[in-house]
Amino acid sequence: EDQVTQSPEALRLQEGESSSLNCSYTVSGLRGLFWYRQDPGKGPEFLFTLYSAGEEKEKERLKATLTKKESFLHITAPKPEDSATYLCAVQATDSNYQLIWGAGTKLIIKP
Amino acid sequence: GAVVSQHPSWVICKSGTSVKIECRSLDFQATTMFWYRQFPKQSLMLMATSNEGSKATYEQGVEKDKFLINHASLTLSTLTVTSAHPEDSSFYICSVAGSNQETQYFGPGTRLLVL
Repeated sequence: EDQVTQSPEALRLQEGESSSLNCSYTVSGLRGLFWYRQDPGKGPEFLFTLYSAGEEKEKERLKATLTKKESFLHITAPKPEDSATYLCAVQATDSNYQLIWGAGTKLIIKP
Repeated sequence: GAVVSQHPSWVICKSGTSVKIECRSLDFQATTMFWYRQFPKQSLMLMATSNEGSKATYEQGVEKDKFLINHASLTLSTLTVTSAHPEDSSFYICSVAGSNQETQYFGPGTRLLVL
């Protein structure tokens, strides 16, 4: 069964303290892995799409990496405005483009 | 990416009434749109997939007669919650599939409260 697991459920960091969020996935065939950011009361904001193992993408303080079993979202020297819930989703090759979602990691950056 | 709007952003209605939520793709012709609902502290749950000009495909457990979806044009999809009840109170979010049909871009969401 296709599945996505995110860890940790919540993460509290001091401003400037770098860390990583994990997204483990099990899927028959991977079309793509997606990272989104969601602020309270808003829709998810697209961050990255990764397609194959070894691929990396960066945007400001965020860097996403992908292996055959998991993806990491590395956050370097975070700021309070990076506080949000980060969602990971995968799309299987036989999925009709639907997304399988993880439960999310709530990130809190304290000033 | 695509820019997506939703209207209204929040709505309060009485039990038994119907509510229509609009989802617009502002800068992109979206052949495929998705409707999700999200309960507090939970992830997104796909309700249905709609393709322009055809009937929506509903996920298991989602009542198609209760949640009416119309995707009449490449820029507009509507979700109508018919005979709403308090348990329908939720955060409803739409998304559009990008040109590669893979990446989904989301609207800001509509908060529905049924009294």
